[in-house]
Amino acid sequence: GAVVSQHPSWVICKSGTSVKIECRSLDFQATTMFWYRQFPKQSLMLMATSNEGSKATYEQGVEKDKFLINHASLTLSTLTVTSAHPEDSSFYICSAPIGGTGGTEAFFGQGTRLTVV
Amino acid sequence: GNSVTQMEGPVTLSEEAFLTINCTYTATGYPSLFWYVQYPGEGLQLLLKATKADDKGSNKGFEATYRKETTSFHLEKGSVQVSDSAVYFCALSDPHAGNQFYFGTGTSLTVIP
Repeated sequence: GAVVSQHPSWVICKSGTSVKIECRSLDFQATTMFWYRQFPKQSLMLMATSNEGSKATYEQGVEKDKFLINHASLTLSTLTVTSAHPEDSSFYICSAPIGGTGGTEAFFGQGTRLTVV
Repeated sequence: GNSVTQMEGPVTLSEEAFLTINCTYTATGYPSLFWYVQYPGEGLQLLLKATKADDKGSNKGFEATYRKETTSFHLEKGSVQVSDSAVYFCALSDPHAGNQFYFGTGTSLTVIP
């Protein structure tokens, strides 16, 4: 079945540095990738939608200059948290929707636990 | 607009008990409905889905029926196991919104021996 691989699974960085999270579709082409953020004991909050070859669409309240999204190929989307601060510590998850005979569903990456110290 | 309302947790059950997690939705079109499960420290995994009214999704003893008349997609399992302990998310995808997903807040389930 379709697999989305997200890397790294966890990262600790110093305040003020940048962190890049990669999300790859392994056996299908992902023209769209969703990026979510999940706070402890809460649901997923959609941050942005990236589309291959075009600019990402950000949800209201998400700083596009802080969360840089690049979707340069059909199998890779990246999220870069720039100048990270402790409040950016969270669980970030990507997902790619894929259509099929049973309708569209989403395949999720394993998630990245970001801790900013 | 689209939204998903999910039963709040946490839920604690004894092994072999019956499980119900309620989920209702609002949608502008004809969404597909999903249940995802998240084990500690992991990403979300699809548990089951239903793409049209009256469809029943089932997997690993879990099942849910797409009820258009009550806009519901309640998750049920007749006999839970300790290994079912996880967080369960109800979700819908809207083909009229670029297949964007909308999630409920999640329900934490703990099954004790």
